[in-house]
Amino acid sequence: AQSVTQPDIHITVSEGASLELRCNYSYGATPYLFWYVQSPGQGLQLLLKYFSGDTLVQGIKGFEAEFKRSQSSFNLRKPSVHWSDAAEYFCAVGVREYGNKLVFGAGTILRVKS
Amino acid sequence: KAGVTQTPRYLIKTRGQQVTLSCSPISGHRSVSWYQQTPGQGLQFLFEYFSETQRNKGNFPGRFSGRQFSNSRSEMNVSTLELGDSALYLCASSLGGQASYNEQFFGPGTRLTVL
Repeated sequence: AQSVTQPDIHITVSEGASLELRCNYSYGATPYLFWYVQSPGQGLQLLLKYFSGDTLVQGIKGFEAEFKRSQSSFNLRKPSVHWSDAAEYFCAVGVREYGNKLVFGAGTILRVKS
Repeated sequence: KAGVTQTPRYLIKTRGQQVTLSCSPISGHRSVSWYQQTPGQGLQFLFEYFSETQRNKGNFPGRFSGRQFSNSRSEMNVSTLELGDSALYLCASSLGGQASYNEQFFGPGTRLTVL
């Protein structure tokens, strides 16, 4: 069965510091990988996605992620965090079986210290 | 292009009642998926509709059902509400084609509270 693991439930970083959020997936076929961000009481906004090709993908708001097949990982990074980045971040794998569905990790709550 | 819209944004119901939530996808999108988000279980896939047919279903009891109309708008219904059904219900739309995976775009959600 497909699964996504985000080992860090909470992360606190100082404003201006770098950020890395970890994500590991388990999926037997070619993975379609996503990072979403959710602000309190809001829906999910797509930050970036990996379908194929270059394993380093760029997203919105200065985020990037690197796909490492050998480690089954898709970690999210940002070189300098802004206070407005405080939110919950979800990693997801897209599963194609009789349609499309997303399997999400448990999420990582990011707190930014000023 | 307008995004995914969900109505209502907030609902309060009591146990045993039923509820209907509505989702209007992005224009041109033919697939609508529903997800339940709770603090304990996280984000879980409910079902997907494509061209008025349920194409995929998650592991939820039969009290959860849905349908899709010819204009791709979708509704989900929860009957005999339980306290545990309190959640944020998210709708996502996509083009829905089978040639490759289709990116999903999410609406703001409907917050359902069951008392």
